[in-house]
Amino acid sequence: GQNIDQPTEMTATEGAIVQINCTYQTSGFNGLFWYQQHAGEAPTFLSYNVLDGLEEKGRFSSFLSRSKGYSYLLLKELQMKDSASYLCAVRDYGGDKLIFGTGTRLQVFP
Amino acid sequence: DSGVTQTPKHLITATGQRVTLRCSPRSGDLSVYWYQQSLDQGLQFLIQYYNGEERAKGNILERFSAQQFPDLHSELNLSSLELGDSALYFCASTTGGAHHGYTFGSGTRLTVV
Repeated sequence: GQNIDQPTEMTATEGAIVQINCTYQTSGFNGLFWYQQHAGEAPTFLSYNVLDGLEEKGRFSSFLSRSKGYSYLLLKELQMKDSASYLCAVRDYGGDKLIFGTGTRLQVFP
Repeated sequence: DSGVTQTPKHLITATGQRVTLRCSPRSGDLSVYWYQQSLDQGLQFLIQYYNGEERAKGNILERFSAQQFPDLHSELNLSSLELGDSALYFCASTTGGAHHGYTFGSGTRLTVV
């Protein structure tokens, strides 16, 4: 089966650092993706990990441990515009589709 | 503009009716994926097409069907609509190059009344 878990909600303060965790149990694994989604809008691609370790891209970093079925998204120097849902998704072998978790709603306060 | 075009943006229809949602992928992308997102829910995979052929199927209801045409645009047909079908429907496309991810369209918001 497919199971991807993320916290439902998180809050943080502007300028701070926040880590959003994702654990997964899937029948196949061919990469893990993080997307940002503002309410009612399209998800936008943030990062991709297929090998263990940390990928850094500006204020955003993503980490993967395949043996633990675990990933996190690290957001630094938080800004108000970072208030959004963050979606963790695993790419399956079957047709390369993405399987999404339910997302973590992040609220950034001044 | 992501390059993936979905029409219409909004659709309001009555229970029992049938609607068609349209998606044009980014130029050069052969794969189209359809997702449903109900209120405060995650993205649920419905179906994938690759170069005109069905490639993967998720929890798509029998009342729903899709196809991909020779020009690579795709249509998702929803019939015998129920109130619970109200949701955002997204399509995404990809070239298969993982580092760029999958590009989503802006979605169609379907409201069934």
